[in-house]
Amino acid sequence: AQSVAQPEDQVNVAEGNPLTVKCTYSVSGNPYLFWYVQYPNRGLQFLLKYITGDNLVKGSYGFEAEFNKSQTSFHLKKPSALVSDSALYFCAVRGFMIYNQGGKLIFGQGTELSVKP
Amino acid sequence: DVKVTQSSRYLVKRTGEKVFLECVQDMDHENMFWYRQDPGLGLRLIYFSYDVKMKEKGDIPEGYSVSREKKERFSLILESASTNQTSMYLCASSFRGRSGYTFGSGTRLTVV
Repeated sequence: AQSVAQPEDQVNVAEGNPLTVKCTYSVSGNPYLFWYVQYPNRGLQFLLKYITGDNLVKGSYGFEAEFNKSQTSFHLKKPSALVSDSALYFCAVRGFMIYNQGGKLIFGQGTELSVKP
Repeated sequence: DVKVTQSSRYLVKRTGEKVFLECVQDMDHENMFWYRQDPGLGLRLIYFSYDVKMKEKGDIPEGYSVSREKKERFSLILESASTNQTSMYLCASSFRGRSGYTFGSGTRLTVV
């Protein structure tokens, strides 16, 4: 079965420190991996994706993520956290796609990131 | 800028009412999705559609139906609203293939 796990419900970081939000996945075939961010009472916004190529993917707002095939992980990182990064973060994977039926993303449960001044 | 537009940000309805949540996208996407989001439960897929007039049940379709008469519009229908359908509803769309989703801003529905 295809699945995504975000093992931490909440991550607390001091402003200026590096941050990591963890994600592991289980999927048939080569995964397409995504990170989204959600601010309060809003929809999800796309941050970055991994389809193929370089294992380190750079995205919006200074975020990056590292794809590790052997560990089936796709952790989100940022070298220096900002208070404005505080939000809910979702990891998602798109695995096997039935032809002509598009493809569904499977989402993790979300991780609440809190950055304190 | 590409957009997915949900007709209402906040909605309050009474138990037993028929409720329509509308979603329109301007990106010519084939796929459209309806999710509900509840604290501690993440995003749960209600229904999705990969083409006009096509629909597929997601993980929690009970109590809901959908309509996709035109490519750009995907409607979620609560046939008889109940209090346990109080939730944040998110619409999303995507191209077929490798792309991710574009989400709407969400509709926070309260059923009283």
